[in-house]
Amino acid sequence: EVQLLESGGGLGQPGGSLRLSCSASGFTFNNYAMTWVRQAPGKGLEWVSSVSGNGGSPYYADSVKGRFTISRDNSKNMVFLQLYSLRVDDTAIYYCAKAAFSHYYYYGMDVWGQGTTVTVSS
Amino acid sequence: QSALPQPASVSGSPGQSITISCPGTSSDVGDYNSVSWYQQHPGKAPKLIIYEVNNRPSGVSNRFSGSKSGNTASLTISGLQAEDEADYYCTSYTSSTTTLIFGGGTRVTVL
Repeated sequence: EVQLLESGGGLGQPGGSLRLSCSASGFTFNNYAMTWVRQAPGKGLEWVSSVSGNGGSPYYADSVKGRFTISRDNSKNMVFLQLYSLRVDDTAIYYCAKAAFSHYYYYGMDVWGQGTTVTVSS
Repeated sequence: QSALPQPASVSGSPGQSITISCPGTSSDVGDYNSVSWYQQHPGKAPKLIIYEVNNRPSGVSNRFSGSKSGNTASLTISGLQAEDEADYYCTSYTSSTTTLIFGGGTRVTVL
């Protein structure tokens, strides 16, 4: 069964940092781009970042560029999102998602994790 | 970058058909055939229901169909059922910035 399991969420201080992890199973991990999508409380979905299958090409939303870093460890079937310079408006559920078609993160995401909650507050 | 302006809500009676629009620009929706649609029930993760404008993943009901005309994509749900009550989001790629943009979401209510 194809599965994604996020972890690492919690309470962060404004200006602080957190590291989110997503563990994948049930598919050939390095063949697929991976994406993080977030959803603030009561709000819609927002694309945050994607990374190519080999990890060499990261992509970021303007709202997080320069503050978040996406990476992956294909030997461990994991993708990470390092959050720096946290802001209150980063508070959200963060979902990890698998590209539906190999390295093309923009042609749909067919498997999603259950999400991990990040709360930024002093 | 602002979200694609989907209607906030759409409603219909069981058995009816409804259509949700996803208006974009020539730089996103109108540029690539990269429009996808997601269904999200309360407290659940999103589910892919349409990819590449008009393709359904395996296991998704054929009551869901997608289309695109110019810079506007659309999702049609035919034979509306109670289980279709959920939030629906479109998304599109913007090649000039290599970013994805989601629509603001549409709440579908089955009357």
